[in-house]
Amino acid sequence: GAVVSQHPSRVICKSGTSVKIECRSLDFQATTMFWYRQFPKQSLMLMATSNEGSKATYEQGVEKDKFLINHASLTLSTLTVTSAHPEDSSFYICSAPASGSYEQYFGPGTRLTVT
Amino acid sequence: EDQVTQSPEALRLQEGESSSLNCSYTVSGLRGLFWYRQDPGKGPEFLFTLYSAGEEKEKERLKATLTKKESFLHITAPKPEDSATYLCAVQFYGNNRLAFGKGNQVVVIP
Repeated sequence: GAVVSQHPSRVICKSGTSVKIECRSLDFQATTMFWYRQFPKQSLMLMATSNEGSKATYEQGVEKDKFLINHASLTLSTLTVTSAHPEDSSFYICSAPASGSYEQYFGPGTRLTVT
Repeated sequence: EDQVTQSPEALRLQEGESSSLNCSYTVSGLRGLFWYRQDPGKGPEFLFTLYSAGEEKEKERLKATLTKKESFLHITAPKPEDSATYLCAVQFYGNNRLAFGKGNQVVVIP
């Protein structure tokens, strides 16, 4: 149980375009999901908390107009990187707490490369 | 100031050479401390959650312990497949957010 998937696993896009990343909880419902970014040889940095049916909560320093988050159902959250630039190239990972638990389970990550 | 500090940053072990990884934290209001394993290019894999000082949990060659200021992840008789980065994270009361340390990169040499 507690499986989280992400799609796509890797994406390459041109500078100025937008990219959407999906995060799904496959065998449980998640009213909250989290989005992280990880640069090479760095740890995970929380970007935002995605709340089903309401606005996301962004961490300090994260541009909410650039990283659009939508949590339209209890099993799906999406992160859209708008007007992507090379500095947005990173590994994006989502997580969700299992139902009735504080334990968080992570997706496999999405490698974004902006050329 | 970092709330979670992991040491050593990198560790090379001979197969069968037991060792311990340290995670120290400076937060108050700790709900739980989490250990994850991360392989290159993949998402973190959940290992353990510890909620109170004195608690211990085991899984195969791994054992996690918790005190009021730090946690240890003991690796007993490691094998090459235990090579990975081990991440420690703390969770606070009031929300489900996790704050991660920088990780312990472990390489086990056959």
